[in-house]
Amino acid sequence: KAGVTQTPRYLIKTRGQQVTLSCSPISGHRSVSWYQQTPGQGLQFLFEYFSETQRNKGNFPGRFSGRQFSNSRSEMNVSTLELGDSALYLCASSRGTGQETQYFGPGTRLLVL
Amino acid sequence: AQSVTQLDSQVPVFEEAPVELRCNYSSSVSVYLFWYVQYPNQGLQLLLKYLSGSTLVKGINGFEAEFNKSQTSFHLRKPSVHISDTAEYFCAVNNNTDKLIFGTGTRLQVFP
Repeated sequence: KAGVTQTPRYLIKTRGQQVTLSCSPISGHRSVSWYQQTPGQGLQFLFEYFSETQRNKGNFPGRFSGRQFSNSRSEMNVSTLELGDSALYLCASSRGTGQETQYFGPGTRLLVL
Repeated sequence: AQSVTQLDSQVPVFEEAPVELRCNYSSSVSVYLFWYVQYPNQGLQLLLKYLSGSTLVKGINGFEAEFNKSQTSFHLRKPSVHISDTAEYFCAVNNNTDKLIFGTGTRLQVFP
């Protein structure tokens, strides 16, 4: 079974630009969660999508948004990039019951200059 | 609100020695507990999880953890570590949602 895939793996952007990250979950998984990992703040929950609906949301500004498609693939968008958005963005998928294991992708490393 | 505390940011240990990585949590409701490992430039891999039942949970790579409700702890242990166990370890909690709350991580450094 293929694991969670994320594209691109690395990205360099400048302040003010926007970026879109993609996540393909494990086949059969309907929940996709996004996390931001930084040295200063650690791992922080961004949001979770289940069956194309945002089900949970973390404490991030509106510049961070996401969506999920009918095939459960998900995209995350960050608009008006700031230097502090530089981070490793991790995507995780699960069946969506809360008790199921979340399987993580390798992440997208975003550098904002 | 839930929170997770990993008191040790770094744990140095010699190869073949035992190790314990500490995790304490706070929550007003029943929780599910997880330990994940992150190797350099990789995502997170589940080591083990506690949902219910036996408080001693065995995971991959020889790791185990014990859920202690009275002390609100979920410490991770391994009786004999290997160089390959060098990595960052994260304790996490959720309350039956897909929103994981992570601790700040513990860097395990195994020396030969």
